[in-house]
Amino acid sequence: DTEVTQTPKHLVMGMTNKKSLKCEQHMGHRAMYWYKQKAKKPPELMFVYSYEKLSINESVPSRFSPECPNSSLLNLHLHALQPEDSALYLCASSHVPPGRTGERETQYFGPGTRLLVL
Amino acid sequence: AQKVTQAQTEISVVEKEDVTLDCVYETRDTTYYLFWYKQPPSGELVFLIRRNSFDEQNEISGRYSWNFQKSTSSFNFTITASQVVDSAVYFCALSGTGGFKTIFGAGTRLFVKA
Repeated sequence: DTEVTQTPKHLVMGMTNKKSLKCEQHMGHRAMYWYKQKAKKPPELMFVYSYEKLSINESVPSRFSPECPNSSLLNLHLHALQPEDSALYLCASSHVPPGRTGERETQYFGPGTRLLVL
Repeated sequence: AQKVTQAQTEISVVEKEDVTLDCVYETRDTTYYLFWYKQPPSGELVFLIRRNSFDEQNEISGRYSWNFQKSTSSFNFTITASQVVDSAVYFCALSGTGGFKTIFGAGTRLFVKA
């Protein structure tokens, strides 16, 4: 099973709402990633978890709060978002955590959650 | 500072033509990683390859090949005998030691016409 699932597929939320995005993989991967991609722009890496610990936070505002409750699950909690946060949020996982040289890496991406903040 | 330049915004080819997508990078790290990703019109992102800076061997995978040249700071991607299904946006990316600060290029949109 080489699948990364993300729920929900679409989400519309107001600026005062609290919502969560969910990502799941059962490939035994120990690295999981959140990316944000605005329309017609390249993806931007937001967070990386390595062995369930946050290893990279790319200066993301605190209204985005990641959580990795176990090795298969990655959440992104959203609170007080702004309309400019509307984007496609992509989750990925890989067997090789960042920084491990000499190993072939394959990243698997989920289909993404399309978020609209009103 | 790190930078990735994909100078080709759009490329259009006819099926069965070979096409090369250029990627030039800048970094001061001695250890770094280079990536290529594909994003078809459906929107999902597909990982194609990761290369670390110590491995300058060229890579071939089916119709895909990658040419890593440290001397010119380039990591170009060639599709041989292109097919309509290759139509997508292709992103080149760079990350430094430990995977920090991953930078994506602006992407190259490839149209393959039947």
